[in-house]
Amino acid sequence: GAGVSQTPSNKVTEKGKYVELRCDPISGHTALYWYRQSLGQGPEFLIYFQGTGAADDSGLPNDRFFAVRPEGSVSTLKIQRTERGDSAVYLCASSRTGYGAQFFGPGTRLTVL
Amino acid sequence: KNEVEQSPQNLTAQEGEFITINCSYSVGISALHWLQQHPGGGIVSLFMLSSGKKKHGRLIATINIQEKHSSLHITASHPRDSAVYICAVTRGDSGTYKYIFGTGTRLKVLA
Repeated sequence: GAGVSQTPSNKVTEKGKYVELRCDPISGHTALYWYRQSLGQGPEFLIYFQGTGAADDSGLPNDRFFAVRPEGSVSTLKIQRTERGDSAVYLCASSRTGYGAQFFGPGTRLTVL
Repeated sequence: KNEVEQSPQNLTAQEGEFITINCSYSVGISALHWLQQHPGGGIVSLFMLSSGKKKHGRLIATINIQEKHSSLHITASHPRDSAVYICAVTRGDSGTYKYIFGTGTRLKVLA
């Protein structure tokens, strides 16, 4: 497809489990962002990739969160030992370069029971 | 205090009304973005501004860099405009272009 896609669209897991969330950016976009949106709030930045490298991971809340983008395209956000407070919509966005409008995916709604 | 503040938080209007949503920010920016989010839907970029004014259809966005303020206007509002409108900025002093978001304005336009 032409847009940013994210899978799964919904993920329900139990406290303590490991989850992976996937983002497919628009083809040719070198910049990829992960954000997290809690209910009733604006999204909050998690991590930014330029190509394969994490250029800014200052938004990751703790070391349970990790993200990769090994080939400079698809990215995976990994959350270990999930907690109920991790429940949110995880949004991915890409842009052609670092600067410029970002195109957002539909998000993955994560629920930790 | 949040770096990006929006007002109002909630807004209900009658179809046809002129709507204004405000955004103030407290940091130096390279650009300001207005975005639209429908319930259960993704986020769509409406405008990217670094100065002046932009218009697209019934939507107008303005920015005053000196006052660190931007407005989004909707003329002749319609029920399909009902959505959350989010202001976001990219800082001018960082090496990344991550968005810093406001909390959004929930707009409901009644027929």
